[in-house]
Amino acid sequence: EVLLTQSPGTLSLSPGERATLSCRASQSVGSHFLAWYQQKPGQAPRLLIYGASTRATGIPDRFSGGGSGTDFILTISRLEAEDVGVYYCQQYRGSPPGITFGQGTRLEIK
Amino acid sequence: QVHLEQSGAEVKRPGTSVKVSCKAPRPLFIGYYMYWMRQAPGQGPEWLGWINPNTGTTGSPQKFQGRVTMTRNTSISTGYMELTRLTSADSAMYYCALGQLPPGRGVDPWGQGTLITVSS
Repeated sequence: EVLLTQSPGTLSLSPGERATLSCRASQSVGSHFLAWYQQKPGQAPRLLIYGASTRATGIPDRFSGGGSGTDFILTISRLEAEDVGVYYCQQYRGSPPGITFGQGTRLEIK
Repeated sequence: QVHLEQSGAEVKRPGTSVKVSCKAPRPLFIGYYMYWMRQAPGQGPEWLGWINPNTGTTGSPQKFQGRVTMTRNTSISTGYMELTRLTSADSAMYYCALGQLPPGRGVDPWGQGTLITVSS
């Protein structure tokens, strides 16, 4: 099983600043199969990024993803109050088939 | 906004089983795999399994094999996840979601979640 380790655990930033979230995999992950989700309090996760760098439908261009192999990054530029929540990375591997999620990074807006 | 409708919260006794349902719009139901995840408080989501709604073929992690069963009723565009031999460790929010296999475009949308509490 591929383990995903996210850092930092909590990020506290001011509106307008840039947030950089890290996701490190225990084994190499195909970029096609790395996704990021946002979860707001009391809601289900929502897809932000798939294929490591492609924004999902309706996601503003303040959100961007990158990376390859075992190291992936989610960047949120020009933070807004509505960006508060927990962000998760997720990967898929075919052998054995399955998906795993990281433990999440909590984003707080000061 | 695509909407997956899950069944309501349940309280179960240890050792019993629970069955959660998830209804999807028909075009999406037949076009995508249905994934099942759960999320304990303060934790990341955990994958429970997936089902091909057209063939009924399923897959699940070894951890849950023998304890989780996914089925579907194509006539009403609804998928089901049954978990047996419940313990307090199974208390969590359970989600269904749609995606391709492999999930090259992520897993989305998700249902609103079904809270399962296991308590004596």
